[in-house]
Amino acid sequence: EAQVTQNPRYLITVTGKKLTVTCSQNMNHEYMSWYRQDPGLGLRQIYYSMNVEVTDKGDVPEGYKVSRKEKRNFPLILESPSPNQTSLYFCASRGTSGRGSDEQYFGPGTRLTVT
Amino acid sequence: RKEVEQDPGPFNVPEGATVAFNCTYSNSASQSFFWYRQDCRKEPKLLMSVYSSGNEDGRFTAQLNRASQYISLLIRDSKLSDSATYLCVVRTNFNKFYFGSGTKLNVKP
Repeated sequence: EAQVTQNPRYLITVTGKKLTVTCSQNMNHEYMSWYRQDPGLGLRQIYYSMNVEVTDKGDVPEGYKVSRKEKRNFPLILESPSPNQTSLYFCASRGTSGRGSDEQYFGPGTRLTVT
Repeated sequence: RKEVEQDPGPFNVPEGATVAFNCTYSNSASQSFFWYRQDCRKEPKLLMSVYSSGNEDGRFTAQLNRASQYISLLIRDSKLSDSATYLCVVRTNFNKFYFGSGTKLNVKP
């Protein structure tokens, strides 16, 4: 089954404790992206990657890091989480060529609370 | 100014009604346009892409006006299962995606 998986689905942590949210896709997609969703603000793009070893900042990259060492994985790293990073996070992937390549497929979301 | 603006609603309509959502975007170089559907904080799912010539998928019709930088979605014969939040999405020429904050639809029996 074609899918994007994220782990963990729920996480409560404390300020300053480094964490990683994993994202993996099995569709051989070149493009992967991370978003956060906050009430009234919609989804905002944090980082995206056009392919292995190619990453770019989205609209709200401050406080986040990413890496793309393999095509299927795109982890989101919070080196020193703060309460304003409490949010619902979505990973997404899409192909970059061919029919339907503009459709993004989203993971189920990770609900992060930083106290 | 937000890149993509939508009326947040909610739109409360009876079953069988026709309802229209609108969205405006600020970047005239935007290249691709979409409507996504999101149920109760679950992951967004593509409803339909929006093409310049307008396109239809069953009860759903999407229109794009590049001159006015305006996108619309029309839902005919609303079903209870259409209740969700509808997200207007734009892809720029730099492969960034911008989402509107969503329009909530409640279809009542």
